[in-house]
Amino acid sequence: DTGVSQDPRHKITKRGQNVTFRCDPISEHNRLYWYRQTLGQGPEFLTYFQNEAQLEKSRLLSDRFSAERPKGSFSTLEIQRTEQGDSAMYLCASSSWLGGTGANVLTFGAGSRLTVL
Amino acid sequence: SQQGEEDPQALSIQEGENATMNCSYKTSINNLQWYRQNSGRGLVHLILIRSNEREKHSGRLRVTLDTSKKSSSLLITASRAADTASYFCATDAAMGGSARQLTFGSGTQLTVLP
Repeated sequence: DTGVSQDPRHKITKRGQNVTFRCDPISEHNRLYWYRQTLGQGPEFLTYFQNEAQLEKSRLLSDRFSAERPKGSFSTLEIQRTEQGDSAMYLCASSSWLGGTGANVLTFGAGSRLTVL
Repeated sequence: SQQGEEDPQALSIQEGENATMNCSYKTSINNLQWYRQNSGRGLVHLILIRSNEREKHSGRLRVTLDTSKKSSSLLITASRAADTASYFCATDAAMGGSARQLTFGSGTQLTVLP
């Protein structure tokens, strides 16, 4: 188990292009989260999956953003028609929280940094 | 939106000194967690304190929680240059539903000078 992997680590694109990020979580983790982080700020929640079901989306996730987690394994986050304001670090995290009163501790990947020119 | 606010935003200390970071939050919580982030990297979980606990220790880390004031502090004792990083508090809110997403504060940038 090599932890949470994200690809690519860096992406530079022109405004209007589509980009896709991939996240491979820890294999036994059932929950997968996407966060966005801009410079000098903390991570902001975008969306989360339990197995293959996308159970919650933030209002930050506009119609240009779509996330999938086919078969409950890896996940992809696609941004269509990128804007300069999309420039940020996109962080993926996973956890094995089973609900109830237990704690939900996240394991993060190294992130995918997007620069939109 | 960011639930927690860290104070100070930036902290610079000498190696060997103690570093204290504070976090305030707004809603009731199940637990509060602290994470560390080295520049350009992902976050790493450091320590968790539950809402019914007041203090917790892990190695050189000491966390306190005051639910009446909705605040927490992280103390790093005998700091090292390798402790240089951003530190974030994250709240696991006591809300309905099963998402249990963590809400992060804006972070404290700690610089430990050798």
